[in-house]
Amino acid sequence: NAGVTQTPKFRVLKTGQSMTLLCAQDMNHEYMYWYRQDPGMGLRLIHYSVGEGTTAKGEVPDGYNVSRLKKQNFLLGLESAAPSQTSVYFCASSYSRGTGEQYFGPGTRLTVT
Amino acid sequence: GNSVTQMEGPVTLSEEAFLTINCTYTATGYPSLFWYVQYPGEGLQLLLKATKADDKGSNKGFEATYRKETTSFHLEKGSVQVSDSAVYFCALVSGNTPLVFGKGTRLSVIA
Repeated sequence: NAGVTQTPKFRVLKTGQSMTLLCAQDMNHEYMYWYRQDPGMGLRLIHYSVGEGTTAKGEVPDGYNVSRLKKQNFLLGLESAAPSQTSVYFCASSYSRGTGEQYFGPGTRLTVT
Repeated sequence: GNSVTQMEGPVTLSEEAFLTINCTYTATGYPSLFWYVQYPGEGLQLLLKATKADDKGSNKGFEATYRKETTSFHLEKGSVQVSDSAVYFCALVSGNTPLVFGKGTRLSVIA
């Protein structure tokens, strides 16, 4: 039982490049989330999904896009990376939104130069 | 809107010292409250939770009591260990709104 996995673990991009972060969960959870973690800012929600084929904006969605084509996967895309997107990105999943019990992946450290 | 305020760190304690990390919240409705912990290099994991007023959540020697009258959910541990060194996040959920996190408090325990 792998839980929530994220690929890649580390990535360095140049300004303007694009990339996709992949999140996968094997717990059959309906809800999935993407957060970014920056020093002194805690976790901020980028986008989330309440089920296969659905997505919704979180607190800081600008510059990111997401897709949930399969229940177990949630992709985060950066179309044109900027230095301000240097951060650690965490994916999480939960059985329902109201319980607040989320399971987190190990994170992806992204540096944009 | 919903929000969580927790004490700023870092907090540095000697092994076996008593720990308190303060957390207060603002929420509409009847929130559920959580403490998450993030060990170095890892993602967050749920430490404990409380879903209604006066509930006490506990796990691994940590505990927190949901105080509606003071809108607080302070984290406590009677005797910390080096292995408790981590970042601790207070969080809440209310209704169908997404989980809201505090900014985190870094705890360092020295032997």
